[in-house]
Amino acid sequence: KAGVTQTPRYLIKTRGQQVTLSCSPISGHRSVSWYQQTPGQGLQFLFEYFSETQRNKGNFPGRFSGRQFSNSRSEMNVSTLELGDSALYLCASSKGSNYEQYFGPGTRLTVT
Amino acid sequence: AQTVTQSQPEMSVQEAETVTLSCTYDTSENNYYLFWYKQPPSRQMILVIRQEAYKQQNATENRFSVNFQKAAKSFSLKISDSQLGDTAMYFCAFNDMRFGAGTRLTVKP
Repeated sequence: KAGVTQTPRYLIKTRGQQVTLSCSPISGHRSVSWYQQTPGQGLQFLFEYFSETQRNKGNFPGRFSGRQFSNSRSEMNVSTLELGDSALYLCASSKGSNYEQYFGPGTRLTVT
Repeated sequence: AQTVTQSQPEMSVQEAETVTLSCTYDTSENNYYLFWYKQPPSRQMILVIRQEAYKQQNATENRFSVNFQKAAKSFSLKISDSQLGDTAMYFCAFNDMRFGAGTRLTVKP
């Protein structure tokens, strides 16, 4: 079974730009969650999608948004990038809530 | 809001010895799930162990076991017979959404 894939793996953007990150879950997994990982803040939950619906949302500003497609693939968008958005963005898929999550390798975003 | 606290930012242990990583959490819920995840250097995060709060028996996976104290809201991870490959960041998680800050474990030869 193929694992969770995330594209791109590395990204450099400038302040004010927007960015879209993509996540392809494991086949058969309907839940996709997104996390922001930084050395100072640790792992912060962004949101979870299940069957194309946002089911849970973390405490992030509206600049962070996401969506899920009918094939369970998910995208995350960050608009008006700030320096503090520099982080490793992790995507994880699972069969549903509180099942084991399978994490992707992450997208490392650098905002300059 | 549920918070997860890992009070040990870094720990080290000699190969073959036992180490315990601490985790406490805060919640008003009665039914929930707790997890320990491992993130090796430059590698993907993987699940180590999962505990369902309504189960009194502590979860065990080979050399990994937990000490789940529901009343104390404590969920520690014990690694027995530590191996070099156990070197990683370990994250405690509540209901798969709230993660602790992590504990960096180094296993020394």
